[in-house]
Amino acid sequence: GAGVSQSPSNKVTEKGKDVELRCDPISGHTALYWYRQSLGQGLEFLIYFQGNSAPDKSGLPSDRFSAERTGGSVSTLTIQRTQQEDSAVYLCASSDKQGGGEKLFFGSGTQLSVL
Amino acid sequence: GNSVTQMEGPVTLSEEAFLTINCTYTATGYPSLFWYVQYPGEGLQLLLKATKADDKGSNKGFEATYRKETTSFHLEKGSVQVSDSAVYFCALTLYGAAGNKLTFGGGTRVLVKP
Repeated sequence: GAGVSQSPSNKVTEKGKDVELRCDPISGHTALYWYRQSLGQGLEFLIYFQGNSAPDKSGLPSDRFSAERTGGSVSTLTIQRTQQEDSAVYLCASSDKQGGGEKLFFGSGTQLSVL
Repeated sequence: GNSVTQMEGPVTLSEEAFLTINCTYTATGYPSLFWYVQYPGEGLQLLLKATKADDKGSNKGFEATYRKETTSFHLEKGSVQVSDSAVYFCALTLYGAAGNKLTFGGGTRVLVKP
């Protein structure tokens, strides 16, 4: 497809386990964002990648969270030693402009449930 | 810091009713403003935008006007349809800021009944 693809769509894990969430942005998009949408909350910015620049990690809530973007394309968000408060929908978005707000294309998200 | 505040939902209304969702913002500079919509089972998508004061964004019968004096960007639609049932997010970005990332409001769920 031509859209932003995220996998898995749903992930159930046990507290303390590590999880990896994957995002395939739209081909050619240089900007990639991760957001978190918690129940009853707004969208919380996590991390931003732009080309080969150092990522903006200012939104990561703790050092248990990390993300990589290999080859300027696919991105993986890793959560180590998951906690119940990590349960949320994790959204990935990409844009073909550095002015990302102009038009971000969002994936359908990964619903993470930590038991 | 930058923040967006929008009215809490859910908002329940009948078809053909008038819809308003209030949105106000605080920003350290001169932001661009957006409304995003999330239909059930789908990803967020841009609904409309405005990049400077007094601009009016419009799409699918929705409108929002950038009001710098009141730091607001309220979303309106004159006659809603069942298909407008969704969660609506107000957002801003400051170009030139790190990442030009969007700052979102908490979202407002709208339910339109036939």
